[in-house]
Amino acid sequence: RKEVEQDPGPFNVPEGATVAFNCTYSNSASQSFFWYRQDCRKEPKLLMSVYSSGNEDGRFTAQLNRASQYISLLIRDSKLSDSATYLCVVNRAGNTPLVFGKGTRLSVIA
Amino acid sequence: DTAVSQTPKYLVTQMGNDKSIKCEQNLGHDTMYWYKQDSKKFLKIMFSYNNKELIINETVPNRFSPKSPDKAHLNLHINSLELGDSAVYFCASSPDLTDTQYFGPGTRLTVL
Repeated sequence: RKEVEQDPGPFNVPEGATVAFNCTYSNSASQSFFWYRQDCRKEPKLLMSVYSSGNEDGRFTAQLNRASQYISLLIRDSKLSDSATYLCVVNRAGNTPLVFGKGTRLSVIA
Repeated sequence: DTAVSQTPKYLVTQMGNDKSIKCEQNLGHDTMYWYKQDSKKFLKIMFSYNNKELIINETVPNRFSPKSPDKAHLNLHINSLELGDSAVYFCASSPDLTDTQYFGPGTRLTVL
């Protein structure tokens, strides 16, 4: 099983749609979880951290399921500007660096 | 006010040449990284430095040599460049290993 696995997509959705991405991780001792966003030909940027109790930032909601070892990202009311690649990021265990998933590509269509 | 900066932004060079990429962060972070993102867009960690000391080397060929003159800088020198080295190289920094990372704008290396 890969350390961090994501569906590569692409997800093509109309404006206003709700879309959800899942990401699974292999190391049950992982403690840090994030979603990053990467626009075409740009650097990855932090979208949001993922907390055990789940967290929301505007139209974005992140959830963590430790029992099943997955994290999710829900985007409500999709905008054209949400088109990007979304990277799931997890640390391995203990004091180790983050591991980036290969990303899920989202295209929001007018 | 740029947080993580890299130079150059673009680098086009011939096979066999030696080149360097520079990275600087003004965030006061202790940890810095180099990543390689190839044509398949997979972001792979190459090196990690904490307080100027190498802590991670992810089976990168020894043609790649990072150097950290101080906490705010992590440079990458590449010897005898090969076609397969063509990629985008990102520098990043974070307060510590498990914390949020902030990326530089990337250096697009093309080896001809």
